[in-house]
Order: sequence, then C-alpha cells, then structure tokens
Amino acid sequence: EIVLTQSPATLSLSPGERATLSCRASQSVSSYLVWYQQKPGQAPRLLIYDASNRATGIPARFSGSGSGTDFTLTISRLEPEDFAVYYCQHRSSWPYTFGQGTKLEIK
Amino acid sequence: QVQLQESGPGLVKPSETLSLTCTVSGGSISSYYWTWIRQPAGKRLEWIGRIYGSGDTAYNPSLKSRVTMSVDTSKNQFSLKLRSVTVADTAVYYCARDPGGFDPWGQGTLVTVSS
Repeated sequence: EIVLTQSPATLSLSPGERATLSCRASQSVSSYLVWYQQKPGQAPRLLIYDASNRATGIPARFSGSGSGTDFTLTISRLEPEDFAVYYCQHRSSWPYTFGQGTKLEIK
Repeated sequence: QVQLQESGPGLVKPSETLSLTCTVSGGSISSYYWTWIRQPAGKRLEWIGRIYGSGDTAYNPSLKSRVTMSVDTSKNQFSLKLRSVTVADTAVYYCARDPGGFDPWGQGTLVTVSS
C-alpha cells in the first residue's frame, strides 16, 4: 500500500497570501495524484486531478505540480473561502489511499 | 448535472451487516466507475472499493473479506454491504463517481456501530 504524507499538518496564513501544500508518496505514483478540499460538515470537493489538471469550475488560483513521489498544491492568492482541509489521494494502484490532510487556517 | 445520495440505516449493531445504497440522478450509472469512501471522525479518508456499471469490482484488501458491492442499472443505484461490523467501522460513508478523481460526491451518511 502506498502511503501519502502531507505537510505541514496545519498552515496559518492570511487572505491574499500564497499557500504551498506538500504531498509525498512512499513510492512513485507517476502523475496519478489528486487533490481535494473539504470544509466542515461537507463532502470533499475535487480540485486537481492527474497532478496538475484543474477540475471543472475550479478557480485558476489553484494549481498542482509534481510527479513521481513529490507533489505540490499551490493557492496563489488566498480567498476567505479557501480556508479548509486539503487532502491528496493517489490512484496509481489499488488500494487508493489518501494523505492525512493539511488544515489551512486563517492567521 | 450528476448528483449522488446515500441512504441506509444510521445505526448498526456489532457483528451485523452495514448496508448502504447510493442513488445516482442526472446521468446513467452504466458508463463510469462508482466508489465508496469512508471517514472516521478525525481520521483520514479511506477508499473502500469501486464498481463499474457492468458489475466489475475492486476492493481495498484491508476490507475485502467483508465487503460486497453491487449495481442495479434499472434503478440507477449501487450498493455497499460490509459484514461483521465493529465499532471501528463507525464513520461517515460517502459514495462518489470515479472518472479519474472522485467527483461528484454524495453528501455522506453517518453510520454508527453500537449495541
């Protein structure tokens, strides 16, 4: 089973700042890496698939990069609605697994 | 647009079978993979498995011995059965479409395992 480790666990930033979230895989997942946003009491929302492709309706301030074992989700300029928990997930092989999440909180 | 809705009992006794159904509206169930995911309180998401519209399945090895998924194309529904549940199976259970990233998701349903 591939283990995904996200860092940092918590990120405290202000609106307007740039956020950089990391996801590291225990072995290569090629580009089969997905990012989700989850707000309290809601289901996760797909942001990025195949490492760098924005899902339909996702603002351009969200971008993903990386391949192999190291991946980054960047939010270029934080909006108030972006403060949430972010998860990465691989779909390289079964079982699909998720990272433990990064909580993005308002500083 | 495609929407998903989970349904089923919110309380299951230990050793019994958890049964959930996901109803798909706004699109056909026949041409995609459909997945179940769960999230225990305060823990990371866990992929349970997936099923294609034809009925082909893939399960998480950690749950494979207890899981069965099925699809009913006439009702545009797919289902999850998890046998011999314990308190460790208490979680919010989500269904989702799987076209290469899980999207969309159902709202989720809390299932508590307790006597």
